[in-house]
Amino acid sequence: TQLLEQSPQFLSIQEGENLTVYCNSSSVFSSLQWYRQEPGEGPVLLVTVVTGGEVKKLKRLTFQFGDARKDSSLHITAAQTGDTGLYLCAGASNNDMRFGAGTRLTVKP
Amino acid sequence: NAGVTQTPKFQVLKTGQSMTLQCAQDMNHEYMSWYRQDPGMGLRLIHYSVGAGITDQGEVPNGYNVSRSTTEDFPLRLLSAAPSQTSVYFCASSSMLPGGGNTIYFGEGSWLTVV
Repeated sequence: TQLLEQSPQFLSIQEGENLTVYCNSSSVFSSLQWYRQEPGEGPVLLVTVVTGGEVKKLKRLTFQFGDARKDSSLHITAAQTGDTGLYLCAGASNNDMRFGAGTRLTVKP
Repeated sequence: NAGVTQTPKFQVLKTGQSMTLQCAQDMNHEYMSWYRQDPGMGLRLIHYSVGAGITDQGEVPNGYNVSRSTTEDFPLRLLSAAPSQTSVYFCASSSMLPGGGNTIYFGEGSWLTVV
């Protein structure tokens, strides 16, 4: 079983729709990060959240860290085809960074 | 602006062969790590290093060796390749330990197939 469970595993939507993906764990993390990975490339950091309950916005992307620092969500408003990719969450604890399996998002024109 | 550079990009090995995946970063980062990425499994930490001369095991270290003789380089060695090591390997670096929420910079990946 994964330390970080991401859902849904796959998501296919039309351009302009809104969506939310989730990252859940039974463990507490000192920080949580979201990455986006495109085919043939390494993951690229989108955001880091550190404080329980923290909300960060990056243009059309809204990230929230759960109050207990065990879970997080990523909401995308008015999705665009350029948002297509694999979204990974990663939780940090001491020397360790653990990744979820990711949500593969496809935004169709 | 190289960042993290991995070589080779693609490699096919026969079972039992050994090889080294090279990784270099030019950002003077102390922390470097190797991950493997498999479908449905996410990125799993193989080995990491907090500085030159210091290495430690991650989540899935068996079958792999690392060394850190310089700040810049962190090679990953497969001692005797097995089909279970077929995967995409990513090298990563950051200025500090992950716990502080620091940005981790990834290389572009190395696709390894063991037949």
